[in-house]
This record gives sequence, C-alpha cells and structure tokens, in this order.
Amino acid sequence: QKEVEQDPGPLSVPEGAIVSLNCTYSNSAFQYFMWYRQYSRKGPELLMYTYSSGNKEDGRFTAQVDKSSKYISLFIRDSQPSDSATYLCAMSAGAYSGAGSYQLTFGKGTKLSVIP
Amino acid sequence: GAVVSQHPSRVICKSGTSVKIECRSLDFQATTMFWYRQFPKQSLMLMATSNEGSKATYEQGVEKDKFLINHASLTLSTLTVTSAHPEDSSFYICSGLAGVREETQYFGPGTRLLVL
Repeated sequence: QKEVEQDPGPLSVPEGAIVSLNCTYSNSAFQYFMWYRQYSRKGPELLMYTYSSGNKEDGRFTAQVDKSSKYISLFIRDSQPSDSATYLCAMSAGAYSGAGSYQLTFGKGTKLSVIP
Repeated sequence: GAVVSQHPSRVICKSGTSVKIECRSLDFQATTMFWYRQFPKQSLMLMATSNEGSKATYEQGVEKDKFLINHASLTLSTLTVTSAHPEDSSFYICSGLAGVREETQYFGPGTRLLVL
C-alpha cells in the first residue's frame, strides 16, 4: 500500500460546479496536510495548509482533514475555468518528528478540467 | 505565501555540457531546500535535500557526482547537471522549507531542461 493514495482522474466538471478532491494515507505520523495546485509547466503553488483534523476555509476553497479515517479533502466551490490544473495533496510529520520527517509525501495528483 | 524563484526558466544545451540552475528564496530564509524532478504527467520525485553550509543528502538512485548541489547561503541553492545527456531532460523544481515548525514547502516555478 502506498503511503498516499490520490485518484489521478482526469476529472472534468462544468463551470460553477462544486469539486471534491480526496487523498487517503497510511502513515499516522503525518500531522501537516497541504494542497498544491500545479498548472502545466509550472511549479506547484501552495493552496491550503492544515494542521491536524478539522476544516479550513479560504475563499472558494475548503480543506478537510479527518485523521481518524486518514482521509483529506479539498472542496472547490463555484469552480472556474482558471481552476483547471493538477491538484496535489502532500503531507509531512513535521521537522521535529525525526530525521527527514519534514519531507513531503505527495499524492500522484488529480488533473481537473473546468469546462466553460 | 513565501516566494521562491528559479533561473533559468528554460535551458537547451548540447550533450556533454554542464548546466547550472539557481534557486532563491526571495522573502524568507531557507535553511533547507529541496530539489525535485518531474517527468510529464508524473508527480514530483525528490532528488536531494540541501542544507545550508553542509553537504546535500541524495535520494537513492540519484547520482551525487552528476547532480551537484551547493547551498552556500540561506537564500540560494544551486543544482549543476554535469555532463548532461538527453535522458537528463526533465522539469527541475526546487523548494524552500518554511513555516514555524518547518512543516511546509514553497516551490519555485521550475526549470525545463532539454539536452540535445
């Protein structure tokens, strides 16, 4: 079983739809959870960052973490064509959890297309 | 969020030559930087962890003599691809470790290397 599982898609939705992206993980040491957006031929851009379980909202984006289920989600409301990108979940145990624990473990990324 | 720059954004070189890629953290100090490569439609693959003032730590399978990393200051890390060959053609992305608990990474825009 891979440490982080993410459905690669592709996922295609009409403009205005609510998008749900998910990742599951197996390492219970992970405490920090991130979502990155990567446009084609660009570096990943940090979208959302959450620590431990709970919800975090930023504009049209909501990140959810359920540590008991080892499941994280990113919701995009009122999706726009400019949201079309690959979304990567990433997680780490944090710098003080041991050697190399600050390294990020990525999902494979979900390619999202929002159709006008 | 924190800003990381890379230079050059794109480089084409002949087989056998060396190429240097610079990674700078513009508005924060990055004691630790990371170098990744990404092949088309694949996720990021960590190549090495670069710590300011010390030798880089390379991931298994990455040739340290081929991919020379120097992290001479808190804001600059360089990756030199020595004696480049066509199979080294890829998208190289750096990131800087950041956050109060050093739990997240901010990525540069990437450098596309094409070796002819």
